[in-house]
This record gives sequence, structure tokens and C-alpha cells, in this order.
Amino acid sequence: DTEVTQTPKHLVMGMTNKKSLKCEQHMGHRAMYWYKQKAKKPPELMFVYSYEKLSINESVPSRFSPECPNSSLLNLHLHALQPEDSALYLCASSLRPGTGTEAFFGQGTRLTVV
Amino acid sequence: SQQGEEDPQALSIQEGENATMNCSYKTSINNLQWYRQNSGRGLVHLILIRSNEREKHSGRLRVTLDTSKKSSSLLITASRAADTASYFCATDKNDYKLSFGAGTTVTVRA
Repeated sequence: DTEVTQTPKHLVMGMTNKKSLKCEQHMGHRAMYWYKQKAKKPPELMFVYSYEKLSINESVPSRFSPECPNSSLLNLHLHALQPEDSALYLCASSLRPGTGTEAFFGQGTRLTVV
Repeated sequence: SQQGEEDPQALSIQEGENATMNCSYKTSINNLQWYRQNSGRGLVHLILIRSNEREKHSGRLRVTLDTSKKSSSLLITASRAADTASYFCATDKNDYKLSFGAGTTVTVRA
């Protein structure tokens, strides 16, 4: 199984809603990532988890709250988002943190904030 | 932060032709990777070249790396309609971060 699975594929939420994005991999990867991608732009790193601990937070606003319950799961909790947060949110994983190996990406969640 | 810059921004070629795109970066790296993205969905890893390598092949893909010029190129030979996608270079400094370039949009015409 070489897949990273993200749910949901599409999400529309209001600015007062609370929602969560989910990401799952069963490749035994110990590094997991959240990226944000706006249209016609490259992915931008948000968070890195290394061995289930948050290693990097790229100064992401607190309305985005990551969680890594175990080595296979990664969540991104969303609360009080703004319309400019609408984007494609990509989850990725790699074998071991900081060893320069390829990243496997999920298909993303297309988020629209209304 | 965005480390790599790609050139050209867009490329349109006929099926069967070769496509070449370039990536330049600013700081020293451990490796450079190329990814493909179809229609704004997930990225697919194509090839990884380490800083001590100069050239690498994978099927119809050829990647070069010139660390003295801080640049890399991706060549797709004998292009197919299915190669239509956005291509991103990404640099890795072994610091947990993969930094993506702006990307090249490739359109292969039948």
C-alpha cells in the first residue's frame, strides 16, 4: 500500500464552523506533512510531524490546529477560517524525517470557506 | 518559503516532442526532487537526484543537477498527452522541509 488517503475530497465551510481534515498512510512513514496550495501556486509547507511530534510550524495561524494521534494518522482541525484560507490542502508522508527521501502525497482536500 | 524558481512558466509542445524545463535554487541542498501534479490534485514524485550526482534517468525522464550553478533541468522525451501536467522542482536540505519551485505547466497537443 503506497497511498496517502485524504478525506474529505471537497469541503465547504462557513467562517464560524469547525471542521477537520483527515490523512492516513500505512507505509510505516514517520514523517507527515500538511501543505497548503493556492491556485496556480506551488505547495507551501504548513506543519511537519516527526515520529508523531510536531517538529515544524511555519508560523501558521492558530485557526489551523494539527494533530497526530498515531503514526498512521494526521488531522488538521479548522476553526474560524477566513475566505482567503480557501485552497487545496495536501497531506504528505515520507519514510524518515530529515533523510532526504521522496514524499508521497494524498489527493488533497479542496476547501472553500464562505 | 519558496526556494526554487522554474523556467519556463508554461510550455506547449506537440506529442512526440521533447520537453525541457529548468529549476534554479538559492542555497545549498542535500537533494533535488521533481514532482508532477495533474489538474490541481496530489503531487506524484518523479525522480530524486542527490547533490553528489550530476545526471539521473528514469524511463523517459532525464534530470541533471549543476550544484555550482544551483540549477537543475528535467527533460521529458517523446512526450505523450498524458504528460500534460504541472511540474515542480523541490529542494531538500535535510531539515524536514521540502521547498517547491513555482512550477512549469506543460501542455502536450495531440
